[in-house]
Amino acid sequence: EAQVTQNPRYLITVTGKKLTVTCSQNMNHEYMSWYRQDPGLGLRQIYYSMNVEVTDKGDVPEGYKVSRKEKRNFPLILESPSPNQTSLYFCASSFIDSIDQPQHFGDGTRLSIL
Amino acid sequence: GESVGLHLPTLSVQEGDNSIINCAYSNSASDYFIWYKQESGKGPQFIIDIRSNMDKRQGQRVTVLLNKTVKHLSLQIAATQPGDSAVYFCAENWQLIFGTGTRLQVFP
Repeated sequence: EAQVTQNPRYLITVTGKKLTVTCSQNMNHEYMSWYRQDPGLGLRQIYYSMNVEVTDKGDVPEGYKVSRKEKRNFPLILESPSPNQTSLYFCASSFIDSIDQPQHFGDGTRLSIL
Repeated sequence: GESVGLHLPTLSVQEGDNSIINCAYSNSASDYFIWYKQESGKGPQFIIDIRSNMDKRQGQRVTVLLNKTVKHLSLQIAATQPGDSAVYFCAENWQLIFGTGTRLQVFP
């Protein structure tokens, strides 16, 4: 089954404790992206990657890191999490060979930073 | 920067009625638009898309209308069902710019 898989789905942690949210897709998509979703603000892009070893900042990259060492994986790293990073996070992927390629989303990771 | 917005944050409809969710976009150069549905506890799910060289596209019970003159996009859901209850997002271009979403509530 074609899918985007995020882990963990839920995490409660404390300020300053490094964490990584993994994202994996099995559709051979070039493009992968991370979003955070907050009430009243909609989905905001954190980072995206056009292909292996190519990453770029989105609208809200501060406090986050990403890497794209393999085509299928795009982990989101919070080196020193803070409470304002408490949010619902989504990973997405798509092809980029033409403009009309909708993104496929994972089911989200809910992070609570205490 | 460019943005995509929605007119109605919440829409309540009776089961069986038609629903219309609207969206305004600001980037006149956008050439591809997508509607997503997000159910509680899940990620956005692709519903239907349309390219800028089209005015209308139909799917199963859903229709998207594009008015480039006024930069307006709408999603029409025919014979709305309880399973249609969700938040609906519009987005432009494949790299996506999201509005805050409209919550559709279907009551019996």
